[in-house]
Amino acid sequence: GESVGLHLPTLSVQEGDNSIINCAYSNSASDYFIWYKQESGKGPQFIIDIRSNMDKRQGQRVTVLLNKTVKHLSLQIAATQPGDSAVYFCAERGYGQNFVFGPGTRLSVLP
Amino acid sequence: DTGVSQNPRHKITKRGQNVTFRCDPISEHNRLYWYRQTLGQGPEFLTYFQNEAQLEKSRLLSDRFSAERPKGSFSTLEIQRTEQGDSAMYLCASSWGPGSTDTQYFGPGTRLTVL
Repeated sequence: GESVGLHLPTLSVQEGDNSIINCAYSNSASDYFIWYKQESGKGPQFIIDIRSNMDKRQGQRVTVLLNKTVKHLSLQIAATQPGDSAVYFCAERGYGQNFVFGPGTRLSVLP
Repeated sequence: DTGVSQNPRHKITKRGQNVTFRCDPISEHNRLYWYRQTLGQGPEFLTYFQNEAQLEKSRLLSDRFSAERPKGSFSTLEIQRTEQGDSAMYLCASSWGPGSTDTQYFGPGTRLTVL
């Protein structure tokens, strides 16, 4: 069945460095992808999204890259800050409005 | 606060009891989603409403689970005869559609503990 997974369960980066969080998906029919940030005790927070007809989308300090050939999604965070420490999830929309989330990557920002 | 709200925030119940959770979406949003999240995992889709119509339901959703959105505004999720495996965080999200994108705004969740 369709699935979304992450290559790295944990990621530690130095404050000020760039972070890259990766995600693999299996449903080639997925047309829309979202990255979420979840802090402890809170619901997921929308970060950025991308449609399948795009390769790249930029937001404030964040960039999402989509490689449909290898079914890979990445989130790049520039100049990582302590406030970026959280769990990051990618999600794909495969069929209808059924969004499939990956297991998450924990990002730890070191001082 | 004009975000998505959920009540209660925490619920402890004994196995076999029924529980009901409420979600109040952002007022202008016509789409509403329910997800379940267990520790260390990503949210798992349960069901989706557009206005008052329940358009999608996860195949994994037990018959003990039922959701309603009677007036297209708030929604309730009921779990009958709770089991210990139902212990999880139940998340609600809302968005506006139709559209090719779907920016979902999540509530803080209701944490259910079944003893």
